Amino acid sequence: AQTVTQSQPEMSVQEAETVTLSCTYDTSENNYYLFWYKQPPSRQMILVIRQEAYKQQNATENRFSVNFQKAAKSFSLKISDSQLGDTAMYFCAFMGYNTDKLIFGTGTRLQVFP
Amino acid sequence: ETGVTQSPTHLIKTRGQQVTLRCSSQSGHNTVSWYQQALGQGPQFIFQYYREEENGRGNFPPRFSGLQFPNYSSELNVNALELDDSALYLCASSPQTDRANTEAFFGQGTRLTVV
Repeated sequence: AQTVTQSQPEMSVQEAETVTLSCTYDTSENNYYLFWYKQPPSRQMILVIRQEAYKQQNATENRFSVNFQKAAKSFSLKISDSQLGDTAMYFCAFMGYNTDKLIFGTGTRLQVFP
Repeated sequence: ETGVTQSPTHLIKTRGQQVTLRCSSQSGHNTVSWYQQALGQGPQFIFQYYREEENGRGNFPPRFSGLQFPNYSSELNVNALELDDSALYLCASSPQTDRANTEAFFGQGTRLTVV
């Protein structure tokens, strides 16, 4: 069975600085998808970034980028130029290639300070 | 805003009662998935509906059931509520047209409290 582990329950960063959130996963599949979701106090899950396992190039979306290490089964999220609006819970999630079921980690609470 | 709406936003029920939660999927999306998010945890997959049929189920007992309607909106029903059912229930819709489009759009959830 696939599992997703986020070992940092809480992180904090000063505005304009860079922060990296860690995620590891376990799977025997070769093709799959990985995601980072943001959940602000409004509770709505918002997709931050997506990575296809068959793509070696790390995904980037504006200030958000990932470091995808397939052999190590690691998928970290780097937030550059942190903004106050980045304050939220961040969840790493796995999806197998032949399923639409998301498997989430336990989340990392990120606080951005002025 | 994602276009996925859930109702009600908050709900308090007594142990043993039954509850129905509702979800309207984003326009053009034919797949709805339900997740349970306990306090301090990540969401757990309950089940998924695709074109009105159940299309995958997580490790939840049969008292968790669902429906999907011809307009692709969906309901989650929970019978014989237990205290541990207290959680945020999230609905997500997706187009599921092919493997290239895997983004799920989430609603704001229903906070269920069982007392």
